[in-house]
Amino acid sequence: DQQVKQNSPSLSVQEGRISILNCDYTNSMFDYFLWYKKYPAEGPTFLISISSIKDKNEDGRFTVFLNKSAKHLSLHIVPSQPGDSAVYFCAASMEYGNKLVFGAGTILRVKS
Amino acid sequence: DAGVIQSPRHEVTEMGQEVTLRCKPISGHNSLFWYRQTMMRGLELLIYFNNNVPIDDSGMPEDRFSAKMPNASFSTLKIQPSEPRDSAVYFCASSSTGSYGYTFGSGTRLTVV
Repeated sequence: DQQVKQNSPSLSVQEGRISILNCDYTNSMFDYFLWYKKYPAEGPTFLISISSIKDKNEDGRFTVFLNKSAKHLSLHIVPSQPGDSAVYFCAASMEYGNKLVFGAGTILRVKS
Repeated sequence: DAGVIQSPRHEVTEMGQEVTLRCKPISGHNSLFWYRQTMMRGLELLIYFNNNVPIDDSGMPEDRFSAKMPNASFSTLKIQPSEPRDSAVYFCASSSTGSYGYTFGSGTRLTVV
């Protein structure tokens, strides 16, 4: 039973356009959400996070939106750059600093 | 800081052999996590330690898998005997209490033939 789901295995976007990666979760006890980015042959690296008390968090070109009633979050990248091509993992936790439950990942390809 | 260090980077072994994966967490981090990445299930948590004590091993798939953390600077994940379905990338990550997320190592790609 996957508690964190990323239903799109891959996404292809033109350079300069917006990339939107989606994530759904089933456990209403999750209260902290993170996005990780992973390049080939490297470990995932932290990108951006959001607490359940917020509905939006922004960091430069990256914005995460949280819709608690729908148990849905999304990552927006604007504008997309070829260097953003990577696997993006959504993760959730029931407690700040506690273990993270990850989704299966979405492969983003940004075409130049 | 050298980050989380995993060894070996690649491991190819024959079915039935014992495999040991190693991890050195970031100095000062008190939590250590072992994850396995597969195409179908993404990143699965196998086990995690807090202050060298195993807290949750519910993700360990079978008794063939075991993990130890004898001190704050070293952990091992052992598979005995290994099977082809164990082929995956295994990641170690560490964090400190109250920090955002984890720092991952570069992973060990295990292939069991």
